[in-house]
Amino acid sequence: DGGITQSPKYLFRKEGQNVTLSCEQNLNHDAMYWYRQDPGQGLRLIYYSQIVNDFQKGDIAEGYSVSREKKESFPLTVTSAQKNPTAFYLCASSPGTGLAYEQYFGPGTRLTVT
Amino acid sequence: RKEVEQDPGPFNVPEGATVAFNCTYSNSASQSFFWYRQDCRKEPKLLMSVYSSGNEDGRFTAQLNRASQYISLLIRDSKLSDSATYLCVVAPYNTDKLIFGTGTRLQVFP
Repeated sequence: DGGITQSPKYLFRKEGQNVTLSCEQNLNHDAMYWYRQDPGQGLRLIYYSQIVNDFQKGDIAEGYSVSREKKESFPLTVTSAQKNPTAFYLCASSPGTGLAYEQYFGPGTRLTVT
Repeated sequence: RKEVEQDPGPFNVPEGATVAFNCTYSNSASQSFFWYRQDCRKEPKLLMSVYSSGNEDGRFTAQLNRASQYISLLIRDSKLSDSATYLCVVAPYNTDKLIFGTGTRLQVFP
C-alpha cells in the first residue's frame, strides 16, 4: 500500500535528550514537510524539503534538525535546545514542488518530554 | 491579524442538518485553497480542494470568494461520522507552504 509512515506513534523522553522521529513515504513524492500541532493551535511548519539533500527552515525551526538523504525518508531530530518539545508531530508529503499542491499526512508521533 | 481565521465552534447540529463553515484569509494573492478534516488525535486528511468556480463532492460543497477573501464549506444531510474538526488551508502565491487555520469543530448528534 502506498502511504506515509511515522514511527513511533508515542514517544517519551527525558529533558536534555535528543530524539529522532522517523518519516517514510513510498508515494514517490518530491516534497516532504514536518509540522507540529499544539492544542488549540494550527499546524506550524518546522522544516520542509523539495529535493534530496536540500531542505529549508519553516516558521519554527529553532531546536530542530532534519536530513534528506533519500527521497523516501525525512527524519526529524528534536534537540535539547527545543524549549517546549512536547507536541504532536506530523510529517507530510506532496507530489509537486513550485506550486501549492495538496499535502498528505502520516499518522503522527506524540512526543512527551518530562 | 491571522493569515487564516476560522470560527473554532463547536457547531452542534442534529443528524440530517445542513451546516456551513466560513474561513477568511488575509493574503489577497493566495492561489490554492483546501479543506482538511481532522479526527480527534489523528492526522489531517484532505477533504477537498477549493476551485474558483466552486466544487461539490457528494454532500460537501466548497466555495471561494476572492473579492471578500473567504472560502466556505457546506455539509448537507449531516451524518454522525461527520463529527470532526475541519481545517481551512490556504497557499499564498509563489510558495510551497500551506497555511493552516486552527479548525472548526463539528459535533453531529443523533
